[in-house]
Amino acid sequence: QKEVEQNSGPLSVPEGAIASLNCTYSDRGSQSFFWYRQYSGKSPELIMFIYSNGDKEDGRFTAQLNKASQYVSLLIRDSQPSDSATYLCAVVTGGGNKLTFGTGTQLKVEL
Amino acid sequence: GAVVSQHPSWVICKSGTSVKIECRSLDFQATTMFWYRQFPKQSLMLMATSNEGSKATYEQGVEKDKFLINHASLTLSTLTVTSAHPEDSSFYICSAHRPGGGPDTQYFGPGTRLTVL
Repeated sequence: QKEVEQNSGPLSVPEGAIASLNCTYSDRGSQSFFWYRQYSGKSPELIMFIYSNGDKEDGRFTAQLNKASQYVSLLIRDSQPSDSATYLCAVVTGGGNKLTFGTGTQLKVEL
Repeated sequence: GAVVSQHPSWVICKSGTSVKIECRSLDFQATTMFWYRQFPKQSLMLMATSNEGSKATYEQGVEKDKFLINHASLTLSTLTVTSAHPEDSSFYICSAHRPGGGPDTQYFGPGTRLTVL
């Protein structure tokens, strides 16, 4: 079982819709959860991080964490074509700052 | 956010040669830097953790004699791919951790695309 799993997609949504990206992780001891956006040929950029169960909102982005279900999601409201990218879920397990990445979900926002 | 640079941004080399990639934190001192590798349509895989003044910690399956890491100062870590082969062609990305912060204070460089002919 992979440590961090994501559906590779592509996930296609129309412009203005809500995009929902999901991620599951295997280690119940995981403590910190991150969503990165990666455009083709570029390095990842941090969008959101969440440490506690529940929702965390930042602008059009909402991260949701459910530790009991070992599930973290990212909602993007009012999706724009510029949101088209690969979204990587990452997890930190145990102490330290080592990130374990999922394989990413490709999002396509269509006009 | 903090700025991390990598040099070169891309490099093409012949099989059997060595290539050095630099990672610099420009506006903070990084005691820890991380090196990742990303193959096309795959995720980032951590190769090693680089700590200033000490030996790097390599992830399982990464050959430490092939991928030499030197973290000589608080703002510079280098990755040398020795005797490069076509299968080493990849996107190499470093990140630098700002001391005193959590995992969210890990800042990524722009990456180096290595092509080995």
